[in-house]
Amino acid sequence: AQSVTQLGSHVSVSEGALVLLRCNYSSSVPPYLFWYVQYPNQGLQLLLKYTSAATLVKGINGFEAEFKKSETSFHLTKPSAHMSDAAEYFCAVRDGSGNTPLVFGKGTRLSVIA
Amino acid sequence: GAGVSQSPSNKVTEKGKDVELRCDPISGHTALYWYRQRLGQGLEFLIYFQGNSAPDKSGLPSDRFSAERTGESVSTLTIQRTQQEDSAVYLCASSLKPSIGADTQYFGPGTRLTVL
Repeated sequence: AQSVTQLGSHVSVSEGALVLLRCNYSSSVPPYLFWYVQYPNQGLQLLLKYTSAATLVKGINGFEAEFKKSETSFHLTKPSAHMSDAAEYFCAVRDGSGNTPLVFGKGTRLSVIA
Repeated sequence: GAGVSQSPSNKVTEKGKDVELRCDPISGHTALYWYRQRLGQGLEFLIYFQGNSAPDKSGLPSDRFSAERTGESVSTLTIQRTQQEDSAVYLCASSLKPSIGADTQYFGPGTRLTVL
Protein backbone atom coordinates (compact mmCIF):
# COMPACT_ATOMS: atom_id res chain seq x y z
CA ALA A 1 0.00 0.00 0.00
CA GLN A 2 1.13 3.49 -0.74
CA SER A 3 1.72 6.10 1.92
CA VAL A 4 3.16 9.58 2.27
CA THR A 5 4.93 11.12 5.24
CA GLN A 6 5.42 14.84 5.49
CA LEU A 7 7.93 15.73 8.16
CA GLY A 8 6.88 18.79 10.11
CA SER A 9 3.27 19.86 10.37
CA HIS A 10 4.39 23.48 10.55
CA VAL A 11 7.42 25.18 9.04
CA SER A 12 8.29 28.81 9.59
CA VAL A 13 10.80 30.74 7.48
CA SER A 14 11.83 34.33 7.09
CA GLU A 15 10.98 36.19 3.92
CA GLY A 16 13.79 35.64 1.42
CA ALA A 17 15.00 32.44 3.09
CA LEU A 18 15.09 28.97 1.59
CA VAL A 19 11.92 26.94 1.79
CA LEU A 20 12.30 23.18 2.29
CA LEU A 21 9.24 20.99 2.80
CA ARG A 22 9.93 17.30 3.22
CA CYS A 23 8.02 14.40 1.71
CA ASN A 24 8.84 10.71 1.86
CA TYR A 25 6.74 8.10 0.14
CA SER A 26 6.20 4.39 0.21
CA SER A 27 5.15 2.61 -2.95
CA SER A 28 5.59 -0.90 -4.27
CA VAL A 29 5.80 0.31 -7.85
CA PRO A 30 7.38 3.37 -9.46
CA PRO A 31 5.22 6.21 -8.23
CA TYR A 32 3.80 9.38 -9.59
CA LEU A 33 4.26 12.17 -7.06
CA PHE A 34 2.47 15.46 -6.67
CA TRP A 35 2.71 18.62 -4.61
CA TYR A 36 -0.44 20.66 -4.09
CA VAL A 37 -0.86 24.01 -2.33
CA GLN A 38 -3.96 25.11 -0.46
CA TYR A 39 -4.49 28.76 0.34
CA PRO A 40 -6.95 29.65 3.13
CA ASN A 41 -10.55 28.77 2.29
CA GLN A 42 -9.61 27.53 -1.16
CA GLY A 43 -9.30 24.20 -2.88
CA LEU A 44 -6.03 22.53 -3.77
CA GLN A 45 -3.90 23.79 -6.65
CA LEU A 46 -1.25 21.68 -8.35
CA LEU A 47 2.27 23.02 -7.85
CA LEU A 48 4.17 20.31 -9.71
CA LYS A 49 4.28 16.60 -10.40
CA TYR A 50 6.87 13.90 -11.03
CA THR A 51 6.15 11.77 -14.07
CA SER A 52 9.51 9.97 -14.49
CA ALA A 53 10.56 12.24 -17.35
CA ALA A 54 13.07 14.12 -15.17
CA THR A 55 14.08 13.78 -11.54
CA LEU A 56 14.15 17.56 -10.98
CA VAL A 57 10.73 19.01 -11.52
CA LYS A 58 9.99 22.70 -11.78
CA GLY A 59 6.58 24.02 -10.89
CA ILE A 60 4.69 27.23 -10.53
CA ASN A 61 5.63 30.16 -8.30
CA GLY A 62 9.33 29.26 -8.33
CA PHE A 63 8.95 25.92 -6.56
CA GLU A 64 10.79 22.78 -7.56
CA ALA A 65 11.14 19.25 -6.25
CA GLU A 66 13.67 16.48 -6.75
CA PHE A 67 12.74 12.82 -6.94
CA LYS A 68 15.30 10.66 -5.15
CA LYS A 69 14.48 6.99 -5.51
CA SER A 70 17.25 5.84 -3.18
CA GLU A 71 15.85 8.02 -0.41
CA THR A 72 12.17 7.57 -1.40
CA SER A 73 11.86 11.33 -1.15
CA PHE A 74 10.30 14.16 -3.10
CA HIS A 75 11.15 17.28 -1.12
CA LEU A 76 9.79 20.66 -2.21
CA THR A 77 12.08 23.68 -2.30
CA LYS A 78 12.06 27.35 -3.20
CA PRO A 79 15.23 29.45 -3.01
CA SER A 80 13.60 32.58 -1.61
CA ALA A 81 10.34 32.65 0.34
CA HIS A 82 7.74 35.28 -0.34
CA MET A 83 4.94 36.33 1.97
CA SER A 84 2.44 35.04 -0.57
CA ASP A 85 3.85 31.51 -0.15
CA ALA A 86 2.18 31.16 3.23
CA ALA A 87 -0.24 28.26 2.79
CA GLU A 88 -0.74 24.55 3.43
CA TYR A 89 1.27 22.19 1.23
CA PHE A 90 0.32 18.60 0.53
CA CYS A 91 2.42 15.85 -0.97
CA ALA A 92 0.55 13.01 -2.69
CA VAL A 93 1.41 9.72 -4.35
CA ARG A 94 -0.24 7.56 -6.94
CA ASP A 95 1.08 4.25 -8.17
CA GLY A 96 1.62 3.63 -11.84
CA SER A 97 -1.56 1.70 -12.45
CA GLY A 98 -3.81 4.71 -12.82
CA ASN A 99 -7.53 4.65 -12.11
CA THR A 100 -6.77 5.15 -8.45
CA PRO A 101 -7.20 8.08 -6.08
CA LEU A 102 -4.31 10.08 -4.73
CA VAL A 103 -2.90 9.22 -1.31
CA PHE A 104 -2.08 12.41 0.57
CA GLY A 105 0.23 13.29 3.37
CA LYS A 106 -1.11 15.23 6.36
CA GLY A 107 0.19 18.51 5.03
CA THR A 108 2.72 21.11 6.13
CA ARG A 109 1.66 24.62 7.01
CA LEU A 110 4.21 27.16 5.83
CA SER A 111 4.45 30.48 7.60
CA VAL A 112 6.58 33.30 6.20
CA ILE A 113 7.84 35.91 8.61
CA ALA A 114 8.59 39.44 7.42
CA GLY B 1 -12.56 27.82 -18.62
CA ALA B 2 -14.68 27.04 -15.59
CA GLY B 3 -13.12 24.97 -12.87
CA VAL B 4 -14.67 22.49 -10.47
CA SER B 5 -17.50 24.05 -8.51
CA GLN B 6 -19.08 22.87 -5.28
CA SER B 7 -22.17 23.90 -3.38
CA PRO B 8 -22.96 24.94 -0.80
CA SER B 9 -19.69 26.50 0.30
CA ASN B 10 -20.74 26.18 3.93
CA LYS B 11 -23.33 23.95 5.58
CA VAL B 12 -24.31 23.90 9.23
CA THR B 13 -26.63 21.14 10.30
CA GLU B 14 -27.87 19.47 13.43
CA LYS B 15 -26.80 16.02 14.48
CA GLY B 16 -29.05 13.39 12.97
CA LYS B 17 -30.06 15.39 9.89
CA ASP B 18 -29.24 14.38 6.32
CA VAL B 19 -27.13 16.60 4.05
CA GLU B 20 -26.42 16.70 0.33
CA LEU B 21 -23.27 18.17 -1.14
CA ARG B 22 -22.97 18.91 -4.83
CA CYS B 23 -20.04 18.88 -7.23
CA ASP B 24 -19.89 20.13 -10.81
CA PRO B 25 -16.74 18.81 -12.50
CA ILE B 26 -14.85 20.40 -15.34
CA SER B 27 -16.69 19.74 -18.60
CA GLY B 28 -15.30 16.68 -20.38
CA HIS B 29 -13.59 15.22 -17.33
CA THR B 30 -14.51 11.57 -17.06
CA ALA B 31 -13.25 10.99 -13.54
CA LEU B 32 -14.63 12.49 -10.34
CA TYR B 33 -13.32 12.04 -6.81
CA TRP B 34 -14.61 12.96 -3.37
CA TYR B 35 -12.21 13.53 -0.49
CA ARG B 36 -12.70 14.57 3.12
CA GLN B 37 -10.37 16.92 4.99
CA ARG B 38 -10.76 16.97 8.75
CA LEU B 39 -9.12 19.67 10.81
CA GLY B 40 -5.36 19.17 10.94
CA GLN B 41 -5.49 16.11 8.71
CA GLY B 42 -4.64 15.33 5.15
CA LEU B 43 -7.20 14.42 2.57
CA GLU B 44 -9.00 11.11 2.93
CA PHE B 45 -10.33 9.46 -0.19
CA LEU B 46 -14.05 8.71 -0.11
CA ILE B 47 -15.30 7.62 -3.54
CA TYR B 48 -14.24 7.66 -7.21
CA PHE B 49 -16.37 7.69 -10.36
CA GLN B 50 -14.97 6.86 -13.79
CA GLY B 51 -17.31 7.05 -16.75
CA ASN B 52 -19.94 4.32 -16.67
CA SER B 53 -17.86 1.97 -14.52
CA ALA B 54 -19.00 0.95 -11.07
CA PRO B 55 -17.71 3.53 -8.58
CA ASP B 56 -14.86 2.75 -6.22
CA LYS B 57 -16.51 3.14 -2.82
CA SER B 58 -13.63 1.75 -0.81
CA GLY B 59 -13.05 4.99 1.10
CA LEU B 60 -16.57 5.57 2.38
CA PRO B 61 -16.33 5.49 6.21
CA SER B 62 -19.80 4.08 6.88
CA ASP B 63 -23.07 3.17 5.20
CA ARG B 64 -24.36 6.62 6.14
CA PHE B 65 -22.29 7.96 3.25
CA SER B 66 -23.35 7.54 -0.37
CA ALA B 67 -22.76 9.30 -3.66
CA GLU B 68 -24.22 9.40 -7.11
CA ARG B 69 -23.08 10.73 -10.43
CA THR B 70 -25.19 11.24 -13.52
CA GLY B 71 -23.15 10.30 -16.56
CA GLU B 72 -20.06 12.45 -16.66
CA SER B 73 -21.62 15.45 -14.99
CA VAL B 74 -22.83 16.45 -11.57
CA SER B 75 -22.22 14.36 -8.48
CA THR B 76 -23.99 14.45 -5.14
CA LEU B 77 -22.51 13.21 -1.87
CA THR B 78 -25.16 12.38 0.73
CA ILE B 79 -24.53 11.92 4.43
CA GLN B 80 -27.42 10.48 6.37
CA ARG B 81 -27.99 10.90 10.10
CA THR B 82 -25.00 13.21 10.42
CA GLN B 83 -22.69 12.89 13.42
CA GLN B 84 -20.32 15.46 14.89
CA GLU B 85 -17.32 13.51 13.58
CA ASP B 86 -18.62 14.17 10.05
CA SER B 87 -17.63 17.82 10.46
CA ALA B 88 -14.98 18.46 7.83
CA VAL B 89 -14.30 20.08 4.48
CA TYR B 90 -15.51 17.89 1.64
CA LEU B 91 -13.48 18.35 -1.52
CA CYS B 92 -14.36 17.24 -5.00
CA ALA B 93 -11.87 16.77 -7.82
CA SER B 94 -12.13 15.85 -11.47
CA SER B 95 -9.63 14.66 -14.04
CA LEU B 96 -9.44 13.98 -17.76
CA LYS B 97 -7.37 10.81 -18.17
CA PRO B 98 -7.53 8.79 -14.96
CA SER B 99 -5.99 5.71 -16.55
CA ILE B 100 -2.72 7.62 -16.72
CA GLY B 101 -0.84 7.66 -13.44
CA ALA B 102 0.36 11.22 -13.95
CA ASP B 103 -3.14 12.52 -14.57
CA THR B 104 -3.78 15.79 -12.73
CA GLN B 105 -6.76 16.10 -10.45
CA TYR B 106 -8.37 19.54 -10.34
CA PHE B 107 -10.01 20.44 -7.06
CA GLY B 108 -13.05 22.49 -6.20
CA PRO B 109 -13.11 24.97 -3.31
CA GLY B 110 -14.82 22.50 -1.00
CA THR B 111 -17.88 22.45 1.22
CA ARG B 112 -17.30 23.11 4.89
CA LEU B 113 -19.72 20.95 6.87
CA THR B 114 -20.36 21.67 10.54
CA VAL B 115 -22.51 19.27 12.53
CA LEU B 116 -23.76 20.74 15.79
